[in-house]
Amino acid sequence: EVQLVESGGGLVQPGGSLRLSCAASGFTFSSYEMNWVRQAPGKGLEWVSYIGPSGGPVFYADAVKGRFTISRDNAKNSLYLQMNSLRVEDTAVYYCVSRPPNTSWNVPQPLDYWGQGTLVAVSS
Amino acid sequence: EIVMTQSPATLSVSPGERATLSCRAGQTVSINLAWYQQKPGQAPRLLIYGASTRATGIPARFSGTGSGTDFTLTISSLQSDDFAVYYCQHYKNWPPTFGQGTRLEIK
Repeated sequence: EVQLVESGGGLVQPGGSLRLSCAASGFTFSSYEMNWVRQAPGKGLEWVSYIGPSGGPVFYADAVKGRFTISRDNAKNSLYLQMNSLRVEDTAVYYCVSRPPNTSWNVPQPLDYWGQGTLVAVSS
Repeated sequence: EIVMTQSPATLSVSPGERATLSCRAGQTVSINLAWYQQKPGQAPRLLIYGASTRATGIPARFSGTGSGTDFTLTISSLQSDDFAVYYCQHYKNWPPTFGQGTRLEIK
């Protein structure tokens, strides 16, 4: 059974940093493209970032480009999101989300498995 | 980026009746369209991909149609478990974008 468990969320002041983690189990993590998707309180879904199975390529939403860095450690079955220069508008639940395996970034694919999310609150 | 627009924002339907949700893309996405269901306090769940293919374990009462720019999610004979928020999402290119959601509520 595919399991994605996020951690690392919390309360941080504007301008601060936070590192989110996602522990994957139940599947061959190194074969999967991974994403972060966020949802502000009471709002809709917003894709944040993508990383290929071997660590590249990486893509970012314009809203986070230059501030967030996605990475992964396939030996630890883990996905990360380093968030710097955080803003109030980054407040959201952050979900770790997979795409189907053994494809490529340029092959259209949906987002299939979602973790339960971790809440990031940016406030002074 | 491609703008996705869902209608209506809220849909009130009685259990046992049919619900029809719409999604429009700002430019063609072919059939690279997915639907997700989200219940309060839960993560979204993939329902439909490829505009019309049900994901694993999704009941047959959920069906998707459309291609290009106009898509529909139909839920026949609504059950109490189906009342939730539904999002469409294109994945034709980067960035993938979501509609703002349709809240399906009990009438």
